[in-house]
Amino acid sequence: GAVVSQHPSWVICKSGTSVKIECRSLDFQATTMFWYRQFPKQSLMLMATSNEGSKATYEQGVEKDKFLINHASLTLSTLTVTSAHPEDSSFYICSAIRPIAANTEAFFGQGTRLTVV
Amino acid sequence: AQRVTQPEKLLSVFKGAPVELKCNYSYSGSPELFWYVQYSRQRLQLLLRHISRESIKGFTADLNKGETSFHLKKPFAQEEDSAMYYCALSEGGTSYGKLTFGQGTILTVHP
Repeated sequence: GAVVSQHPSWVICKSGTSVKIECRSLDFQATTMFWYRQFPKQSLMLMATSNEGSKATYEQGVEKDKFLINHASLTLSTLTVTSAHPEDSSFYICSAIRPIAANTEAFFGQGTRLTVV
Repeated sequence: AQRVTQPEKLLSVFKGAPVELKCNYSYSGSPELFWYVQYSRQRLQLLLRHISRESIKGFTADLNKGETSFHLKKPFAQEEDSAMYYCALSEGGTSYGKLTFGQGTILTVHP
């Protein structure tokens, strides 16, 4: 199956700093990627839809200036958590879908654990 | 807005017993329903989708539009089935891949 890779797998940063998380589709081109957030013992919540070559679409309640998304190529989307605070600590997961295929499927990255201290 | 509900956070069965993981949804249109599985220390992966009407690893799920349910079933559970299971809904079409997840059910199969 297709592979989606996130980097880093975990990161610890100081309050007030910014952190960038990368999501790459390794063996297919993805015009659309998605970013989810998962709090401990809770479900995945969609944060935004990342569209190659255009602005991301954010879900209600997600601050777009706080969570900057860039999808500059067909294989890479980045999520930057700006001016991170402890409440931003969470597990961030991306997914990518193949554009128009007989068996379109969302493939997930392994996730990134962000801890803000 | 769409919603997916998995009423059981934890489910324990013995090996060889039948298992059913419940999933109910609310959505005004025609949704696409999925089951995703996450084994220990691994990423989320698709288990099955309702439109395929397939059986994967012995699991099946039938979409019941009348009851707005998409329960996951397996007649004889195996220890390797122990994992976190998520039911998810997509609006389909151009929103394919944009998923609303249930809270997840941790299935433990005892020897």
